[in-house]
Amino acid sequence: GNSVTQMEGPVTLSEEAFLTINCTYTATGYPSLFWYVQYPGEGLQLLLKATKADDKGSNKGFEATYRKETTSFHLEKGSVQVSDSAVYFCALPIGSARQLTFGSGTQLTVLP
Amino acid sequence: EAGVTQFPSHSVIEKGQTVTLRCDPISGHDNLYWYRRVMGKEIKFLLHFVKESKQDESGMPNNRFLAERTGGTYSTLKVQPAELEDSGVYFCASSQGISSGNTIYFGEGSWLTVV
Repeated sequence: GNSVTQMEGPVTLSEEAFLTINCTYTATGYPSLFWYVQYPGEGLQLLLKATKADDKGSNKGFEATYRKETTSFHLEKGSVQVSDSAVYFCALPIGSARQLTFGSGTQLTVLP
Repeated sequence: EAGVTQFPSHSVIEKGQTVTLRCDPISGHDNLYWYRRVMGKEIKFLLHFVKESKQDESGMPNNRFLAERTGGTYSTLKVQPAELEDSGVYFCASSQGISSGNTIYFGEGSWLTVV
C-alpha cells in the first residue's frame, strides 16, 4: 500500500539558512502528494501540494517537486525564518476516499 | 467562513474515565475524518464519515473508541475507558469531496492527556 518515509528530526538551523526535509514515497500509480505544517499551538495546515508527476508545489517560499524517478517529494526553502519553526509532515492518500497517511514529522527550529 | 472547530482544545483525565471529543466540520462538507498523533509519533487515520455514515473505520484502535456523526453534521469521538496510551492529539478534518481537487482542512486538534 501507499506509504511515506520522512527524514528524522529534529532539525535546527540559523535564520536565512537553506532547508531541505526529505520525503520519499511508495505508491500505486501517481497520487497527489502533500506537505502539512503544524505551528506551535495550532492545528495542521496544508502547506503545499502536487497533484501529478513533475509538478512543483510552492507556498510561503517553500517548494517541493514531485519526482517519480526517485519517488521523492523533498521540501525546500532557500532562506528560513524564525517564524518557520514548526513540525512538517509529508503525506499522501491511501484510500479511495483520500484518507491520508503521514510521515513521522520533522521538528524544525530556526534560531535568530 | 469558519474552519474546522474542535472541542475541547485540551483535556486531562484519569485512567478509566471517559472523554468525548467534538468536531464541527466546515459547513457543507460531507466528508469528515478523525486522525490522532500519539506520543510524538506519526499521525494516524482513525475513520471517515460521509454525511452520517461510517465509510471506513479501519484505523480505530479498539472498541474503547466510538465515533458518531449525528445528522451528518458535527461528530463526536468517545474514549471509554481511557488508557494512558490514548494520550495524544486528536485531529478532525473535513472536505467537500474526495477528488484530488478537494482540499482537506484540519482543525486545531484536541490534546488529550490521560494520567
